Amino acid sequence: EAGVAQSPRYKIIEKRQSVAFWCNPISGHATLYWYQQILGQGPKLLIQFQNNGVVDDSQLPKDRFSAERLKGVDSTLKIQPAKLEDSAVYLCASSTGSNTQYFGPGTRLTVL
Amino acid sequence: SQQGEEDPQALSIQEGENATMNCSYKTSINNLQWYRQNSGRGLVHLILIRSNEREKHSGRLRVTLDTSKKSSSLLITASRAADTASYFCATDLSGNQFYFGTGTSLTVIP
Repeated sequence: EAGVAQSPRYKIIEKRQSVAFWCNPISGHATLYWYQQILGQGPKLLIQFQNNGVVDDSQLPKDRFSAERLKGVDSTLKIQPAKLEDSAVYLCASSTGSNTQYFGPGTRLTVL
Repeated sequence: SQQGEEDPQALSIQEGENATMNCSYKTSINNLQWYRQNSGRGLVHLILIRSNEREKHSGRLRVTLDTSKKSSSLLITASRAADTASYFCATDLSGNQFYFGTGTSLTVIP
């Protein structure tokens, strides 16, 4: 069974630029999560999708972050414009709803 | 914040020793999970304990849950160098929405 795929693995941008991350969950997993993990901290949930609907986006900074999962499969997370404090690893995870989350390798974003 | 807090923040032990790390949280939960994160990698699910369970085992892992104290512990017995990683607890309040703690960094010295 293929795992959760994320791309790119690394991204370096200047502040005020835009960036997008892509996630392809495990086939058949209805629930998809995006997390932000700042160095030395635990992952913070940004947004949770159930199929193509948003379940929770209470911690998503909506003035600059957006996410979509149009066909209920893969998802993109966008930051526009980026700030220095957005430097982090962005993790995508998926689950069947059985509580166990399967994480991708993450995208490490550096904002200069 | 609903985020849990792990204790200690860092732990260094010799190979073969046991490692214990603790997690405290603030609100009632459906279940609590422990994850491992190797440096630069994604998180791997280790074990889940439901709110009506007090103890659970999986291989060399033992997890306890005390809902009255809002705390959990993860015990790794007979540690190996490969156990070196960061360990996070994640609380599920409802609807499969997870809140992660700050993590314990475990170093197992060969």
